[in-house]
Amino acid sequence: NAGVMQNPRHLVRRRGQEARLRCSPMKGHSHVYWYRQLPEEGLKFMVYLQKENIIDESGMPKERFSAEFPKEGPSILRIQQVVRGDSAAYFCASGPRGDYEQYFGPGTRLTVT
Amino acid sequence: QKEVEQDPGPLSVPEGAIVSLNCTYSNSAFQYFMWYRQYSRKGPELLMYTYSSGNKEDGRFTAQVDKSSKYISLFIRDSQPSDSATYLCAIDYSGAGSYQLTFGKGTKLSVIP
Repeated sequence: NAGVMQNPRHLVRRRGQEARLRCSPMKGHSHVYWYRQLPEEGLKFMVYLQKENIIDESGMPKERFSAEFPKEGPSILRIQQVVRGDSAAYFCASGPRGDYEQYFGPGTRLTVT
Repeated sequence: QKEVEQDPGPLSVPEGAIVSLNCTYSNSAFQYFMWYRQYSRKGPELLMYTYSSGNKEDGRFTAQVDKSSKYISLFIRDSQPSDSATYLCAIDYSGAGSYQLTFGKGTKLSVIP
């Protein structure tokens, strides 16, 4: 029974490059959430998606960040033109319903040099 | 203001001790409370959730909620070195089983053999 899968686990990008983070939810889960964990900070909600729909992106920065969850394949969090302040751990969670029951993946640690 | 306050520690206890981890919150308009455990460089793992005042027990773990004081606690009995991790409280502020969790910054626990 595989849990939430994220890849890559570690990603290094130079300033100005694009970062693509992928998330495969647990089997049977159709609700996906992305959170960001900055150093010395708590997890912050970014976006909630269902298949082919963005339900709530109120936590996403207005520029450079986008997310999708296509009909087939993993959910993708895309960060364009990365800056040093984007360096963080990005966690994906999935759940059986759109509520508080969320199971997290191992995270992708993004380092911007 | 949606906030969750959590003492970051670190907290160091001898093996076998009873551990008390706590969070306070500011907004009374919610129902669901979660505790996550996060090992170093890993994703948060859902330990327990509860939606009412009082205690909920699961093995060596007891979650306690006091809505009148806006205070939640996690007790760990007979602590083990494998319990060494960062413990995060999370609260659903919507009061309707929503998905936007607000996390504390976490308390780092070390259980010394």
